[in-house]
Amino acid sequence: QQQVKQSPQSLIVQKGGISIINCAYENTAFDYFPWYQQFPGKGPALLIAIRPDVSEKKEGRFTISFNKSAKQFSLHIMDSQPGDSATYFCAAKGPLGQFYFGTGTSLTVIP
Amino acid sequence: SQTIHQWPATLVQPVGSPLSLECTVEGTSNPNLYWYRQAAGRGLQLLFYSVGIGQISSEVPQNLSASRPQDRQFILSSKKLLLSDSGFYLCAWKNTGGQIDTQYFGPGTRLTVL
Repeated sequence: QQQVKQSPQSLIVQKGGISIINCAYENTAFDYFPWYQQFPGKGPALLIAIRPDVSEKKEGRFTISFNKSAKQFSLHIMDSQPGDSATYFCAAKGPLGQFYFGTGTSLTVIP
Repeated sequence: SQTIHQWPATLVQPVGSPLSLECTVEGTSNPNLYWYRQAAGRGLQLLFYSVGIGQISSEVPQNLSASRPQDRQFILSSKKLLLSDSGFYLCAWKNTGGQIDTQYFGPGTRLTVL
């Protein structure tokens, strides 16, 4: 059973465009929602994270939008650059400290 | 600063052989530790997590096991590998308690079972 559902599976965006990746969850006990960026052959690295008491968090070109009532959250990458080409994972943390990850989105930014 | 190590970096093993992957963390104490598996083109599947020495929680029943013999050491094992065990194995750590929930990943071990 997939605890966190992520879409789309892949995304192609022109340089300078906006990349949007969506995630949904069911467990209302989740209390922390991070996004990770992963390059081929490397471990994921934290990009940005949000807690459910906040509706939006922005760090540079990256923004998380969080809708608690809909149990959905999304990552927006503004002014997408070729260097942003990577796989992005959303995740959710349970009350016991365990993390559940989405299936990932492969982002390609075309110059 | 904190550092997480995993070894080996790559491993090719025959079906039915045993497995031992090791993960160690430096620069922190009493971390939460995690093992994940990432199949080709797939997401991260949580296999085991540990909130303290000797405390292991399993998320997915399978032929793998985990142990935490020391505070900052986490070991993933198998007595007999299956073809389906191939994948990219990632260890991760997180501070215990407090408001910092950032999870840090190691460089991973690429396991191929033939």
